[in-house]
Amino acid sequence: SQKIEQNSEALNIQEGKTATLTCNYTNYSPAYLQWYRQDPGRGPVFLLLIRENEKEKRKERLKVTFDTTLKQSLFHITASQPADSATYLCALDNNNAGNMLTFGGGTRLMVKP
Amino acid sequence: GAVVSQHPSRVICKSGTSVKIECRSLDFQATTMFWYRQFPKQSLMLMATSNEGSKATYEQGVEKDKFLINHASLTLSTLTVTSAHPEDSSFYICSASKGGRGLSREQYFGPGTRLTVT
Repeated sequence: SQKIEQNSEALNIQEGKTATLTCNYTNYSPAYLQWYRQDPGRGPVFLLLIRENEKEKRKERLKVTFDTTLKQSLFHITASQPADSATYLCALDNNNAGNMLTFGGGTRLMVKP
Repeated sequence: GAVVSQHPSRVICKSGTSVKIECRSLDFQATTMFWYRQFPKQSLMLMATSNEGSKATYEQGVEKDKFLINHASLTLSTLTVTSAHPEDSSFYICSASKGGRGLSREQYFGPGTRLTVT
């Protein structure tokens, strides 16, 4: 069966450290993988998109890797700040005409000052 | 750019009544709009996909007669929860996509609507 797995346990790190979140998938062949941030009671906010032929993508303090052999994406936040505390969702896009996304369960990140 | 609004942000209704939620793309035309439902501490579950001027495509297990979707224009989609029951209480979120195949793939989400059915 198809699965998108993110660590359901909260990730607690100290301010200034690098946070690394994992997204593993099974029985998908995504053309794109996306990461979103969601704050409590709010809609998700798009962060980064990485294509199947890209290994790494960066945006300011964010870095995403995509390994289609391992079927895994890693999401890094460097020099983390308390304001980075949120739930981070990965989403797969199978390059369907309708732009449909399937979301993982999300990982809650807590950055402590 | 790429702002999506939803109205209302919160609604409380009595069991058996209907509730309409609006989703608008404010500064772009949305080729496709999506409706999701999210229960506490769970991820987003896609309910349906709608394209302007055509019938919505519902995900398996979502009753199309209960969750009516109208996508009247490239900037407005509505979700009506008909004959609401307490188990329909949830956080409903819409999103909009700018482009089709090969174009912009990210989705822009509204702030969500908290529905409570008493």
